Amino acid sequence: GESVGLHLPTLSVQEGDNSIINCAYSNSASDYFIWYKQESGKGPQFIIDIRSNMDKRQGQRVTVLLNKTVKHLSLQIAATQPGDSAVYFCAETSSGSARQLTFGSGTQLTVLP
Amino acid sequence: DAGVTQSPTHLIKTRGQQVTLRCSPKSGHDTVSWYQQALGQGPQFIFQYYEEEERQRGNFPDRFSGHQFPNYSSELNVNALLLGDSALYLCASSRTGTVYGYTFGSGTRLTVV
Repeated sequence: GESVGLHLPTLSVQEGDNSIINCAYSNSASDYFIWYKQESGKGPQFIIDIRSNMDKRQGQRVTVLLNKTVKHLSLQIAATQPGDSAVYFCAETSSGSARQLTFGSGTQLTVLP
Repeated sequence: DAGVTQSPTHLIKTRGQQVTLRCSPKSGHDTVSWYQQALGQGPQFIFQYYEEEERQRGNFPDRFSGHQFPNYSSELNVNALLLGDSALYLCASSRTGTVYGYTFGSGTRLTVV
């Protein structure tokens, strides 16, 4: 079946630097994408989303970029902080699927002091 | 305003036993979805309940069953437990017709021994 995958399983960045987490998806029917942050022992926490009719969306310190041509999206975190250390997942969904989410396997982000 | 609540938080069961996990959706939400998250993996969709019926199902055997009550709360039942059923089980709620505001609970950690 269709799946969403991530390029890198781990990412280490210095505190204050910018982080970029990448994600590839394969379902061309996907029309909505979400980035989640998951800390140890907790459920996924919504970070930012983007619809397929957009190519960029900005939030507080986070930006999501969507490239439908190559089926790729990325999450950029500005001025990474220790509290950003977590596993990050991208997820996709399409209309007509009861809006079930398909997740990638995640990227572990570690912020170094 | 309470978010999604799940119980119990942790559970240990023996192979072959049956287990029931519970979920109360966020206030105002009427749709409940269940996900299984194996260690180091992204969540996998099990099924979704709306109007007390299973609306969509992922690639899980019929040992996995569920129920939704008139107050929108939900149960996940797993029969004939296998060691491979050990995972974090996540409940997510939303309002039908939209994935916006999709909210996850903190999950139930099930260990099968």
